[in-house]
Amino acid sequence: GAGVSQSPSNKVTEKGKDVELRCDPISGHTALYWYRQSLGQGLEFLIYFQGNSAPDKSGLPSDRFSAERTGGSVSTLTIQRTQQEDSAVYLCASSPRTAGPDSPLHFGNGTRLTVT
Amino acid sequence: QKEVEQNSGPLSVPEGAIASLNCTYSDRGSQSFFWYRQYSGKSPELIMSIYSNGDKEDGRFTAQLNKASQYVSLLIRDSQPSDSATYLCAVNDNNFNKFYFGSGTKLNVKP
Repeated sequence: GAGVSQSPSNKVTEKGKDVELRCDPISGHTALYWYRQSLGQGLEFLIYFQGNSAPDKSGLPSDRFSAERTGGSVSTLTIQRTQQEDSAVYLCASSPRTAGPDSPLHFGNGTRLTVT
Repeated sequence: QKEVEQNSGPLSVPEGAIASLNCTYSDRGSQSFFWYRQYSGKSPELIMSIYSNGDKEDGRFTAQLNKASQYVSLLIRDSQPSDSATYLCAVNDNNFNKFYFGSGTKLNVKP
């Protein structure tokens, strides 16, 4: 079956521009996560969606970052007025559920964002 | 912020040896633990999950969990050069909502 799909795979933008990153989770997965990974670093949690519940935005680094998830499926991460420090790989992951111990994350291939 | 600690490495082992990767976590209420493998330039892929104290074996991989010591490890037997990657430890919090990742241990398996 299809895995987590992210687009674009690469994005180069100029400082100050807005960007939108898209994630299409595995069908039927109710939980969706966004992470950021800077070069040589670990995964930094950004935001989490579960079904129709209010998202957990506690990891968003500034108010320039926002995300939405329409119809409980596709999610868009928007970064406004991009800065060079936003350059990273943005990873989306989905999970079948969140209630239960054995419910791992399935990652997409990521979007590599470069802000020049 | 809940902490998940890993030695960044690199850990170098010869082909055929056992590689031992370690991870400690700060939240005593954590319930589920995962090991992901990440090749350079690729996204993480799940290797194993464990949630009960003790050992869990899957082929050449064994995950070990000790909740009292807040310690989880991954053993790779008969290491192969194709095992060379960064291994990420992930911990699911006691509300099963967030996954916290360590910064990863880079493993080099030398032919």
